[in-house]
Amino acid sequence: GDSVTQMEGPVTLSEEAFLTINCTYTATGYPSLFWYVQYPGEGLQLLLKATKADDKGSNKGFEATYRKETTSFHLEKGSVQVSDSAVYFCALNNFNKFYFGSGTKLNVKP
Amino acid sequence: NAGVTQTPKFQVLKTGQSMTLQCAQDMNHEYMSWYRQDPGMGLRLIHYSVGAGITDQGEVPNGYNVSRSTTEDFPLRLLSAAPSQTSVYFCASSPSTGQKPYEQYFGPGTRLTVT
Repeated sequence: GDSVTQMEGPVTLSEEAFLTINCTYTATGYPSLFWYVQYPGEGLQLLLKATKADDKGSNKGFEATYRKETTSFHLEKGSVQVSDSAVYFCALNNFNKFYFGSGTKLNVKP
Repeated sequence: NAGVTQTPKFQVLKTGQSMTLQCAQDMNHEYMSWYRQDPGMGLRLIHYSVGAGITDQGEVPNGYNVSRSTTEDFPLRLLSAAPSQTSVYFCASSPSTGQKPYEQYFGPGTRLTVT
């Protein structure tokens, strides 16, 4: 069945460091791909999305490119801030069902 | 817009009790869904609905029932609570474009403990 695998955390970075969180997926057909962010005690918020191969999603300095050949959707940011500390989830949507990765906790230290 | 609302925020049940988690959205979204979030496991889809009167099972439907009589509401019923259902439950909604729902809007969650 469809699934999403993302790197385990926690990831600890200093402010202004470069961030990569790896995400790979398994799916039939042509899924849409998403990154969501969750702050403590809250629900998930959409960070960015891509709906077809080679699309690049971007928002608030975060980027991810839909790579069908490597079935990946890695999240990147050039310079993280303390306020980026949160849990990040990679997800896919295929045939009306959403599948989420297990989440990666990011800690950014000043 | 209130977005997606969930009640209650917290609930403690005894094993064998039943209850209904409420979810409502005011965005006229066709697609609604329920997830449970457990440590280290991300979110898992319990049930979803692509419109009023239509529901279907997700990854982990056992022990849960849903119905969708209106576009706005999508309640989740626990028939006979078990400790394995201790979790945080999220409801989400999404506009649908053709056959594909796109980004989801999440409620604040309900933290359920079953003793």
